[in-house]
Amino acid sequence: GENVEQHPSTLSVQEGDSAVIKCTYSDSASNYFPWYKQELGKRPQLIIDIRSNVGEKKDQRIAVTLNKTAKHFSLHITETQPEDSAVYFCAASWGAAGNKLTFGGGTRVLVKP
Amino acid sequence: KAGVTQTPRYLIKTRGQQVTLSCSPISGHRSVSWYQQTPGQGLQFLFEYFSETQRNKGNFPGRFSGRQFSNSRSEMNVSTLELGDSALYLCASSLGDSNSPLHFGNGTRLTVT
Repeated sequence: GENVEQHPSTLSVQEGDSAVIKCTYSDSASNYFPWYKQELGKRPQLIIDIRSNVGEKKDQRIAVTLNKTAKHFSLHITETQPEDSAVYFCAASWGAAGNKLTFGGGTRVLVKP
Repeated sequence: KAGVTQTPRYLIKTRGQQVTLSCSPISGHRSVSWYQQTPGQGLQFLFEYFSETQRNKGNFPGRFSGRQFSNSRSEMNVSTLELGDSALYLCASSLGDSNSPLHFGNGTRLTVT
């Protein structure tokens, strides 16, 4: 089955700096890669996703890149703010199998003011 | 539009008992998935239901089961509870198309004593 590894497990950045989280996946058939943000005590919320026919996608301060050859994808947050502090999860899915997401272990991001 | 609703929010059960969790998806969503979240194992896929049929299943023992009703609402049942079943159980709904985004509920926090 699919395996997703996520690094780093914790990330501390100064407000205004950039944060990068990297994930690798094992199943070359995976074609959908969402990112979720989970604040303490709250539900995971989808912040951005990318499909395998696209190499990069941006939404304001957030961007995701995908390298299908190397089987890795990354989340980039620019101009970090204290409200970006949360746990971020990457995930991978193979669409033909319905909606079964395999999640990475999560990255706890702390933005220091 | 109302989000995904899970009930109850908190449950305390004793080893050996059984429990039923409920999930009401976003209106119009036909797929409901269940995930278990623990500090040690992260987010793990339990199963997905689409049009009242189990479409995907994760690697959990048969004590974990679910069903979906004709109105897309879903229930998850865990029998013969073990201490290790203590976790946050998250339900997510989607339109059901291949790789359609998942929207999570706030979860049910299950504690087994």
